[in-house]
Amino acid sequence: AQSVTQLGSHVSVSEGALVLLRCNYSSSVPPYLFWYVQYPNQGLQLLLKYTTGATLVKGINGFEAEFKKSETSFHLTKPSAHMSDAAEYFCAVRGSSNTGKLIFGQGTTLQVKP
Amino acid sequence: DTGVSQDPRHKITKRGQNVTFRCDPISEHNRLYWYRQTLGQGPEFLTYFQNEAQLEKSRLLSDRFSAERPKGSFSTLEIQRTEQGDSAMYLCASRESRGPTDTQYFGPGTRLTVL
Repeated sequence: AQSVTQLGSHVSVSEGALVLLRCNYSSSVPPYLFWYVQYPNQGLQLLLKYTTGATLVKGINGFEAEFKKSETSFHLTKPSAHMSDAAEYFCAVRGSSNTGKLIFGQGTTLQVKP
Repeated sequence: DTGVSQDPRHKITKRGQNVTFRCDPISEHNRLYWYRQTLGQGPEFLTYFQNEAQLEKSRLLSDRFSAERPKGSFSTLEIQRTEQGDSAMYLCASRESRGPTDTQYFGPGTRLTVL
């Protein structure tokens, strides 16, 4: 069965500091991994995804993530946080059925301090 | 606007009442998903449609829940005899049919409050 664990439900960084949001997954099939961002009272927006190929994936708004099979991880990073990055971030893995449904982690709330 | 839309955005109802939500996917997307998100949690899969066929349902989808997608266009999710535990954000997503790794595009959600 597929599952996702996000370490740290809340992360606080100063503006300009490195952002690191942790995600570990479990998958019985080759993992396809996703990071989504959710702003208050809005739906989810895709930041980036890993399917096959290059393990370092670049996304929107300066975010990137690295797929590490040996560590079963897909951590999200951004070199310099902006106030506008404050939001909730969800890591997800494709489910094992062929429907493409997503299995989400519990989310990490990112706070950016001025 | 070519995004996924959901209606209503907010719904407050009393326990025991029936509610129905609507999702309009992106027009060329034939795959449609419903998820439920409770406070402080990630979205949980409820059900999946390919065109008008409902191909997968989660165990979370009790007998009080029913979803339809007539003609493979918009979809509705109905909850009968609502309970306080049904209070959540109900999210709809759609994607193209090239493959399961295609991006799912999410709507803004319908927030349900059961009093």
